[in-house]
Amino acid sequence: GAVVSQHPSWVICKSGTSVKIECRSLDFQATTMFWYRQFPKQSLMLMATSNEGSKATYEQGVEKDKFLINHASLTLSTLTVTSAHPEDSSFYICSASGGFGYQETQYFGPGTRLLVL
Amino acid sequence: GNSVTQMEGPVTLSEEAFLTINCTYTATGYPSLFWYVQYPGEGLQLLLKATKADDKGSNKGFEATYRKETTSFHLEKGSVQVSDSAVYFCALRLWGSGGSNYKLTFGKGTLLTVNP
Repeated sequence: GAVVSQHPSWVICKSGTSVKIECRSLDFQATTMFWYRQFPKQSLMLMATSNEGSKATYEQGVEKDKFLINHASLTLSTLTVTSAHPEDSSFYICSASGGFGYQETQYFGPGTRLLVL
Repeated sequence: GNSVTQMEGPVTLSEEAFLTINCTYTATGYPSLFWYVQYPGEGLQLLLKATKADDKGSNKGFEATYRKETTSFHLEKGSVQVSDSAVYFCALRLWGSGGSNYKLTFGKGTLLTVNP
């Protein structure tokens, strides 16, 4: 099946620093990748949709200057949390879209747990 | 708008019991339907999917049938195992029209705990 990796799997950083999270589709090309945030015992909240070679589309209420998304190639998207603060601590999950039309399916990465001290 | 409603958990079962997790949806159009599973501390894994009415998705002993008449996609398994303990998410996706319909819409998730 389609495999999506994320790196790092978890990170601890000091308040005010920036953290970059990578999302890779390992065995397929993904024209679209999605970034989600998940709070404990809650469902996933879509943060943004990124398409290769173009600017990301952010969901309402998500600060685009704080959560920088770069979709550099068909297999790599990065999320940078800039000037991180404790309230940014969360579980961040990416997904990559494979297939076309009604067969299109999102495949999820294993997630990155961020703790900001 | 589009929405997914799952039965609220947590659901606690004994090993080898029968499992049903209800899922109904509201959608403007003809969605594809998915069940994802999230094991503790991990991301989501696609469990099964169905792309049109009356399709049955199945995987690892789990099944769900796309019922257009009742707008439902209930997840079932005949005999659960301890290793099935996880959170299960029902989701829908509309296709063909781009824009906001391109996204997955998730239910709130149902925590399943299977005891030996």
